[in-house]
Amino acid sequence: AQTVTQSQPEMSVQEAETVTLSCTYDTSESDYYLFWYKQPPSRQMILVIRQEAYKQQNATENRFSVNFQKAAKSFSLKISDSQLGDAAMYFCAYRTGDSNYQLIWGAGTKLIIKP
Amino acid sequence: KAGVTQTPRYLIKTRGQQVTLSCSPISGHRSVSWYQQTPGQGLQFLFEYFSETQRNKGNFPGRFSGRQFSNSRSEMNVSTLELGDSALYLCASSLGFSSTEAFFGQGTRLTVV
Repeated sequence: AQTVTQSQPEMSVQEAETVTLSCTYDTSESDYYLFWYKQPPSRQMILVIRQEAYKQQNATENRFSVNFQKAAKSFSLKISDSQLGDAAMYFCAYRTGDSNYQLIWGAGTKLIIKP
Repeated sequence: KAGVTQTPRYLIKTRGQQVTLSCSPISGHRSVSWYQQTPGQGLQFLFEYFSETQRNKGNFPGRFSGRQFSNSRSEMNVSTLELGDSALYLCASSLGFSSTEAFFGQGTRLTVV
């Protein structure tokens, strides 16, 4: 069975600085997708970034980028130039590459931005 | 383009009752999946529907059921509510193919007393 582990329950960063959130996963599949979702106090889960396992290039979305290490089964999220609006719970999620849409989630990391 | 709509947003029920939650996906999306979020267990997959068929099911008791209508709207039902069913229930919609991501609604906060 696949598992996702986020070992940092809480992280804090100074506004405008850079922070990295860690995620490791375990799977025997070769085709899969990885995601980072953000959940602000409004509770709505918002997709931050996605990575296809077959792509070697790390995904980037504006200030958000990932470091995808397939062999190490590691998928960390880097947030550059942190802003107050980035404060939220961040969840790492995994799904297989088949048609069944089932996300397996990490426990989440609470990100605090210090002004 | 309207997002994923979940109703109601908040619900208080008594132990032993049953409850039905509704999810309207993004227009054109054929897959709807449901997740339960609790402080203790985190986010757990309940089930996924695609074109009115349950395609995948998580490890939940039979008290949890769902269905999907021809317009892709989905409902989930929980019978004989227990205190432990108190949770945020999130619905996600997607086109339903392997390459696409899911978009979430704001959830329904269910409290069982």
